[in-house]
Amino acid sequence: GQQLNQSPQSMFIQEGEDVSMNCTSSSIFNTWLWYKQDPGEGPVLLIALYKAGELTSNGRLTAQFGITRKDSFLNISASIPSDVGIYFCAGLGAYKYIFGTGTRLKVLA
Amino acid sequence: EAGVTQSPTHLIKTRGQQATLRCSPISGHTSVYWYQQALGLGLQFLLWYDEGEERNRGNFPPRFSGRQFPNYSSELNVNALELEDSALYLCASSSGQVPNEKLFFGSGTQLSVL
Repeated sequence: GQQLNQSPQSMFIQEGEDVSMNCTSSSIFNTWLWYKQDPGEGPVLLIALYKAGELTSNGRLTAQFGITRKDSFLNISASIPSDVGIYFCAGLGAYKYIFGTGTRLKVLA
Repeated sequence: EAGVTQSPTHLIKTRGQQATLRCSPISGHTSVYWYQQALGLGLQFLLWYDEGEERNRGNFPPRFSGRQFPNYSSELNVNALELEDSALYLCASSSGQVPNEKLFFGSGTQLSVL
């Protein structure tokens, strides 16, 4: 199936460090969403982006809608143990929302 | 306000059987989406319903089907179950108001095919 490219696939970081991840597509999107998923649960919406160049924050999370409309970035500042989980990006395309392959984040206390 | 609810939470079937999964969207939402998430993998788009009609489907065989009822709840049916159908099936709803649309997910139904 169609998926967006997300990187990195996984990362281990120390508590307190900042985290960056990105999502790229060969297609242009009009909306980008970022989600966090805990094991056995559904994804929870973190941030929604609707305009190229838009920068939006939600607490320690900041996401940007790329100028080309083919990518998006998520940053987490001062990570804490509860940030552990899988982060997914999603772009609004012809099939409605297409999801990224996910970034698995593990935080070392 | 209740979020997206899915039932059952877990479902165990044997190969060749049929499975029915149910989803109730957030009140006021008219669009329902179904996604399949195999273990450790991303979300694969299955079906999209809006106002009772199937609007789009992903690259899945016809034995994956569903419907949306007048109250906007939805059902996903999987016929002739195969082992590789074992996955977390996620339902999401939205208000359908593009462009400021947001997708909200339920907790999923874990389908195990033995």
